[in-house]
Amino acid sequence: AAGVIQSPRHLIKEKRETATLKCYPIPRHDTVYWYQQGPGQDPQFLISFYEKMQSDKGSIPDRFSAQQFSDYHSELNMSSLELGDSALYFCASSHSYRTDDTEAFFGQGTRLTVV
Amino acid sequence: GESVGLHLPTLSVQEGDNSIINCAYSNSASDYFIWYKQESGKGPQFIIDIRSNMDKRQGQRVTVLLNKTVKHLSLQIAATQPGDSAVYFCAENISGGSNYKLTFGKGTLLTVNP
Repeated sequence: AAGVIQSPRHLIKEKRETATLKCYPIPRHDTVYWYQQGPGQDPQFLISFYEKMQSDKGSIPDRFSAQQFSDYHSELNMSSLELGDSALYFCASSHSYRTDDTEAFFGQGTRLTVV
Repeated sequence: GESVGLHLPTLSVQEGDNSIINCAYSNSASDYFIWYKQESGKGPQFIIDIRSNMDKRQGQRVTVLLNKTVKHLSLQIAATQPGDSAVYFCAENISGGSNYKLTFGKGTLLTVNP
């Protein structure tokens, strides 16, 4: 079965550079969620989109932005990268917003290393 | 035990034993809870969920117990297997927003010894 696809799997950037992470949800899923997981930490919710509109916002820095496109894939854009941005970034997708019993599936994540 | 900095609480069990992983959640308004399993280098994998109108839910080899009075959640794994070794997270959510705008608890590292 198709799963959530994230690209790239690994990314190394220098401080102050920009990075773009991509997420391709499971077919027919209309909602995507982004999470950041630092080393040894629990995942922290960043932002979510439903039908191409931002639906919720968490602890996402102003240097980051995200959007969801017409094909439902999403991109997380990160600018002025800092060493503290080094983390695993997960995307999850689900079908329908505010609907019971809609399990969200996580991708394998993108490991971003800022040097 | 308590986690400090980057150190996760750990639970080490023998293969075949039952495991109990505990979680204290923070928001009394949370009404949806999920347990996730995360293996090294992989994304969180859904195990089982429970809504606040229930206090127990069973799956295959797993049971989740919810005690709203003390804001406590537990995951019981029966006949633990080496493949169960992973970090386990509980997550909470408040209805009315995105179903998966989750607040994750601190993970617990489960190690199953053969």
